[in-house]
Amino acid sequence: SQQGEEDPQALSIQEGENATMNCSYKTSINNLQWYRQNSGRGLVHLILIRSNEREKHSGRLRVTLDTSKKSSSLLITASRAADTASYFCATDGWGAGNNRKLIWGLGTSLAVNP
Amino acid sequence: KAGVTQTPRYLIKTRGQQVTLSCSPISGHRSVSWYQQTPGQGLQFLFEYFSETQRNKGNFPGRFSGRQFSNSRSEMNVSTLELGDSALYLCASTKLGGTGELFFGEGSRLTVL
Repeated sequence: SQQGEEDPQALSIQEGENATMNCSYKTSINNLQWYRQNSGRGLVHLILIRSNEREKHSGRLRVTLDTSKKSSSLLITASRAADTASYFCATDGWGAGNNRKLIWGLGTSLAVNP
Repeated sequence: KAGVTQTPRYLIKTRGQQVTLSCSPISGHRSVSWYQQTPGQGLQFLFEYFSETQRNKGNFPGRFSGRQFSNSRSEMNVSTLELGDSALYLCASTKLGGTGELFFGEGSRLTVL
């Protein structure tokens, strides 16, 4: 199964509301990254939080990381219609052969209604 | 600074054919990764190349192969295409020694009929 698992799978909110997405993972990590993907396009990096950090902000984005619970959350405040996209978490950890690798969740599909 | 460029953006093939996809990374990025994205499976890691060497490989059959050239450009090839290979193939580059942030191209949408 995927290392990173986002929930909810889908989220629909009104413009101006806050959106919260969660990501859980299974093994130890170096960092956790969040990406956004507009329909059928490439992914865009949003924010990276290191394993020794607990919270990070970037504009309207706030990411938290709880390594004891192996979970992270992404909060988008004052959402806009342009935030409509899929959001993915990726955990940067160690795979077989001691190779560093990113493992992706299935994503949360966010719809922001005007 | 130009982003990651993938070609072609869209292509249609029939079962049994083969396909080659190309990826030009951001200038100065020497690591290139490939992903397959399908609605049911999400992003699945295919392989990663650095300095013309495959550093990491996902769990895909041998029909999926790749290579990297001395200018860091990368290609992936899928032989004997199957219907299930229909997907968005994404290439990402990263700067070694950086934070690990990936820079993605827009992808190549492959449809196998």
